Amino acid sequence: RKEVEQDPGPFNVPEGATVAFNCTYSNSASQSFFWYRQDCRKEPKLLMSVYSSGNEDGRFTAQLNRASQYISLLIRDSKLSDSATYLCVVMLAGNTGKLIFGQGTTLQVKP
Amino acid sequence: GAGVSQTPSNKVTEKGKYVELRCDPISGHTALYWYRQSLGQGPEFLIYFQGTGAADDSGLPNDRFFAVRPEGSVSTLKIQRTERGDSAVYLCASSRDQGPGELFFGEGSRLTVL
Repeated sequence: RKEVEQDPGPFNVPEGATVAFNCTYSNSASQSFFWYRQDCRKEPKLLMSVYSSGNEDGRFTAQLNRASQYISLLIRDSKLSDSATYLCVVMLAGNTGKLIFGQGTTLQVKP
Repeated sequence: GAGVSQTPSNKVTEKGKYVELRCDPISGHTALYWYRQSLGQGPEFLIYFQGTGAADDSGLPNDRFFAVRPEGSVSTLKIQRTERGDSAVYLCASSRDQGPGELFFGEGSRLTVL
């Protein structure tokens, strides 16, 4: 079983739609969680950290469910520019520095 | 520029050859990471350095892969006796220190082994 699992998609949605991605992680000792965004043939860039209480940044909301070991990302009012691959990232407790990436979920926003 | 710089951006080599990939991190960043990414997959962890020392090299697939960071800045990933399965984009990232901080990635070195 992979340490971090994501549905690769692609998710094809119209502009203005709300879309949600989930990610599950296998190690219950994981302590830090992130979403990174990767555009086609580009390097990954941090989108947002995920906090236990959930957090929001504009149209993006991230949530963590430790009991079920999953992380979610919600995108409201999708824009064409949101088209990218979204990578779920986990860091284990006591292993500061090593970040484990999921396969990524591809989003295509259509006009 | 002020970002992470990787060279070469593209490398085509023949099976069995030796390859070196270089990473120049953001100035002042003490932590440096190597990942590799195959098409349709997420970045796969290889190794990370805190300063000059390899803090975790558990992701190196076998002893053909080796990485150094002798002065705590520039790092070189070395691959001996390359195989076709080594073909991937090799990504380097740096962060201000170890811990749950933001990783800043370079644009990657695309390695093709024929």
